[in-house]
Amino acid sequence: QSALTQPASVSGSPGQSITISCTGTSTDVGGYTYVSWYQHYPGKGPQLIIYEVSNRPSGVSNRFSGSKSGNTASLTISGLQAEDEAVYYCSSYTRSSSQVFGTGTKVTVL
Amino acid sequence: QVHLQESGPGLVKPSETLSLTCTVSGGSIGSSDFYWGWIRQAPGKGLEWIGNMYLRGITYINPSHKSRVSMSVDMSKNQFSLNLTSVTAADTAVYYCARHVATGYYNYYFYIDLCGTGTAVTVSS
Repeated sequence: QSALTQPASVSGSPGQSITISCTGTSTDVGGYTYVSWYQHYPGKGPQLIIYEVSNRPSGVSNRFSGSKSGNTASLTISGLQAEDEAVYYCSSYTRSSSQVFGTGTKVTVL
Repeated sequence: QVHLQESGPGLVKPSETLSLTCTVSGGSIGSSDFYWGWIRQAPGKGLEWIGNMYLRGITYINPSHKSRVSMSVDMSKNQFSLNLTSVTAADTAVYYCARHVATGYYNYYFYIDLCGTGTAVTVSS
């Protein structure tokens, strides 16, 4: 299965907002509401920050928000902070009853 | 609070079988609310979903690995395991065990909500 497409890197200054896109097909992102986003720091396990397109797990900052239009999902981080510097992955349920990850986006806080 | 911890050999020889175990603490592996599975990250690469297992041995495997992957659950030890056969250098990665939330119609759908800290595996002679 092919990985979902994300930009390799996105950067922003503290306090700014950034958006990461995640493009798939009608057999994954476009076909289901089971799109999730993960924050990944080196040496740690990936942490869920958005599930089912736009829902935040308990304890996750409301600076993180998600949306979807057609085959593309998006993660927005508002009020960018130094601690947000990490790699972000989207993921989607797929028609073949599996889960597929995006290529990953490195977020840099300038 | 549920915690997942991977264990297994850090070094495996080419063509052999990689076996990893995940121990779940703070929650029951027998819950119908979750699937239990694995993801990995090869050096310099992104995350890759390997597969998961639900109640009564129902498994879903990444089509890319279907012929080499098997999974099992040991309810008595609250553990689940991954077997990956005929490994090559391309299987060198950090392996994470992952809890998947079962959701939607008849709990047929899933997404990962919790991962372990990962265990590094190198395939080399």
